[in-house]
Amino acid sequence: DGGITQSPKYLFRKEGQNVTLSCEQNLNHDAMYWYRQDPGQGLRLIYYSQIVNDFQKGDIAEGYSVSREKKESFPLTVTSAQKNPTAFYLCASSQSSGRAGTGELFFGEGSRLTVL
Amino acid sequence: EDQVTQSPEALRLQEGESSSLNCSYTVSGLRGLFWYRQDPGKGPEFLFTLYSAGEEKEKERLKATLTKKESFLHITAPKPEDSATYLCAGLEAGYSTLTFGKGTMLLVSP
Repeated sequence: DGGITQSPKYLFRKEGQNVTLSCEQNLNHDAMYWYRQDPGQGLRLIYYSQIVNDFQKGDIAEGYSVSREKKESFPLTVTSAQKNPTAFYLCASSQSSGRAGTGELFFGEGSRLTVL
Repeated sequence: EDQVTQSPEALRLQEGESSSLNCSYTVSGLRGLFWYRQDPGKGPEFLFTLYSAGEEKEKERLKATLTKKESFLHITAPKPEDSATYLCAGLEAGYSTLTFGKGTMLLVSP
């Protein structure tokens, strides 16, 4: 089945530690995204990539880093510089062409990060 | 200032009680308005895309409509399995990423 796989589903981190969240897709989509979701805040864009080896900052990129070495993979690292990392993280992908452009997103199941 | 605003924040309905969710937007040059459904602890699932005022899309008990300033998600005779958070998002001309609203949490009681 085609889709997006995020791992781990739950992750606990001590303050000062970096953690990396995995996102893999087999939909052959060009574009991939990372969102953060907090209660009452909606989805906020962290980083996105429209092509391999290229990515752009979203609205809340500070304290995060990404890479896009393969079309299928878009890992997110939450660094110790992120002051409030406890949140639900969502990865998504989309076709970058067509009338809908990049609006029809396919999401993974999410990764919930808790900082202890 | 929020560019996409959803109301109400939460809505509780009895099974069979029809209602509508609102999504108003202030983005200029809207390329598309998108509706998603999100179940607790899951990623959002795409529902509809609307491109121009007057357009309507339907799926089972859901119908999405679009005017020049807002979109409505009408829920006809809802069932408990329709309980979820419904998100809308706008895609603005010249941009390649969505602006999401904060969502409406719908609870349908049997």
